[in-house]
Amino acid sequence: GAVVSQHPSWVICKSGTSVKIECRSLDFQATTMFWYRQFPKQSLMLMATSNEGSKATYEQGVEKDKFLINHASLTLSTLTVTSAHPEDSSFYICSAMRTGAKNIQYFGAGTRLSVL
Amino acid sequence: GQSLEQPSEVTAVEGAIVQINCTYQTSGFYGLSWYQQHDGGAPTFLSYNALDGLEETGRFSSFLSRSDSYGYLLLQELQMKDSASYFCAVHTGGFKTIFGAGTRLFVKA
Repeated sequence: GAVVSQHPSWVICKSGTSVKIECRSLDFQATTMFWYRQFPKQSLMLMATSNEGSKATYEQGVEKDKFLINHASLTLSTLTVTSAHPEDSSFYICSAMRTGAKNIQYFGAGTRLSVL
Repeated sequence: GQSLEQPSEVTAVEGAIVQINCTYQTSGFYGLSWYQQHDGGAPTFLSYNALDGLEETGRFSSFLSRSDSYGYLLLQELQMKDSASYFCAVHTGGFKTIFGAGTRLFVKA
């Protein structure tokens, strides 16, 4: 299957700092990538859809100035959590859409963010 | 509104067969996917159904009935490593995907 790399897998930061998470599709080009947030034992909550070369589309209730998304190439999307606070601590997962007969999302391994 | 319904928990024994159902109500439908997620890990793709019928991939099979807005994931010859959360997801168009709340499967010896 397709491979999506997400980095870092785990990060601890101080309150007020910014954290950048990278998502790369390793063996296919992805014009569309997605960023999710997941709380323990809950489903995936879509935060935003990242489109290569254009602005991301944010879901209702997600602050676009807080969660900056850049999709500068067909294989890389980044999520920057700006001025992180403890309530931003969560598991963030990216996925890349492989288009074709089946539009399948392939997920990265996730990033566990802990804000102190 | 748009919704997907699946059981929150299922328990089964090793070697058994288990079926996880998913009913959906969405404004658009292009296909139904299933994903597996182990605790602390990322979801991994299991199957995709766009047309009615059964798709088989090894021990896992997935079924779709578009007229009933219903699908299921069938896991055969259960193994302990199958203990995980299973999510159904509907592709509604425009690359949009809606995920169900997930079913936690517990496999007992």
